[in-house]
This record gives sequence, C-alpha cells and structure tokens, in this order.
Amino acid sequence: GAVVSQHPSRVICKSGTSVKIECRSLDFQATTMFWYRQFPKQSLMLMATSNEGSKATYEQGVEKDKFLINHASLTLSTLTVTSAHPEDSSFYICSARDIGTGKAFFGQGTRLTVV
Amino acid sequence: QQQVKQSPQSLIVQKGGISIINCAYENTAFDYFPWYQQFPGKGPALLIAIRPDVSEKKEGRFTISFNKSAKQFSLHIMDSQPGDSATYFCAAGRSGGSYIPTFGRGTSLIVHP
Repeated sequence: GAVVSQHPSRVICKSGTSVKIECRSLDFQATTMFWYRQFPKQSLMLMATSNEGSKATYEQGVEKDKFLINHASLTLSTLTVTSAHPEDSSFYICSARDIGTGKAFFGQGTRLTVV
Repeated sequence: QQQVKQSPQSLIVQKGGISIINCAYENTAFDYFPWYQQFPGKGPALLIAIRPDVSEKKEGRFTISFNKSAKQFSLHIMDSQPGDSATYFCAAGRSGGSYIPTFGRGTSLIVHP
C-alpha cells in the first residue's frame, strides 16, 4: 500500500523555539496534503490543506503565522510550529492524497512536547 | 456542525464476537466513505472504503454496509480479535481532486480475550 513517512515521530523542544515536521509520500505523488492535530481520545482536527506550489488553506481558528506550511514538491510537505508554547503540545498527523487514486493516506504522526 | 456522526464512543466485545460501529452523514454530495484504524501513538491507517454505488463491501473480517437513503454506513468486524483493539474512525467526503475527508469522533474498541 501507499506509504507516507512523517518525521520526527517524537520531538521535545523548549518554549519559544521552532519545530519542523516533514511529511513525505514515498511511492506516490500528492498535490494535496493535509495537516491534522489530535488531542487525546479525540478525533482528528484539520488544521490546513497544503497544495503543491501554492499557499496552504488554513481552517478557521488556525494561525497561519504560527503554523507555517510549505509544499514545495509533489512528495514533500512541511509543517513548522513557530515560537512553540506548551499549549502547542499535541499529536500532529499529516495525510497525503494520491494523485492517481484520490485516496488519502496518513503518516505515523509526530508527538510534540513543548517544555 | 458535525457532518459525520459516529457511535458508539466506546465498545467492548468478547473475542470471536461481532463489533459494529455506525456512522451517519449529512452532506449528500459525499461519495467516498473510508474507515480508518488507529493504534495508540500511531497515525490512522486506511482499513476499508466504500462508494455509494454498492450497499456492501467485504475485505476479510471487515465489512462496510452502506444505506444511501438513510445516509448511514457501518463497519462490522467479524470474529473480533484482541489485536483489533484500537480506535476506529469513519470518514466521508467527495472523491477526486477536491477530496477532503470529514471524520467522525472515533470509537474506542476493546476486544477481550
């Protein structure tokens, strides 16, 4: 099946620093990737839709200057959490939509802890 | 507004039993209905999906039943195993280039040995 690699799987950073999370589609191309945030025992909350070569579309209430998204190629999207604070601690998950099938596949997730 | 309602929130089943999770959607434009399985600390994995042109799809022990008129679909796990213990999410969306899935709240399934 289609593989989406998300890195890192876990990261601990100090408050005020920035963290970059990578999402790669390994065996398919994705013009569209999605970034989600998930709180414990809750569903996935869509943060933004990333389109290759254009600006991301952010959901209401998500600060685009805080969560920077770059989708520079058909296989890579990055999410940078800038000036991280403890309240940004969460599980972040990316998803990539296969150009060929239209199906969306998820990465393994990144557990971010801001101390 | 929650466009995909999922129930139950949690489910406990004995090994060998049938696990049933239900979802209902509101947007009649949705034409793609996947189910995802998520283990703790991992991203969701696509389990099985259905389109509205069929009423049922089966893959191994997993079956999706779809009722277009009622705008409902369900996941049945036959012969449930302890390894099936996970959180299951249904989703719905419009297929193709504009596909953005809307997720249900999730169901925590525990299968007792």
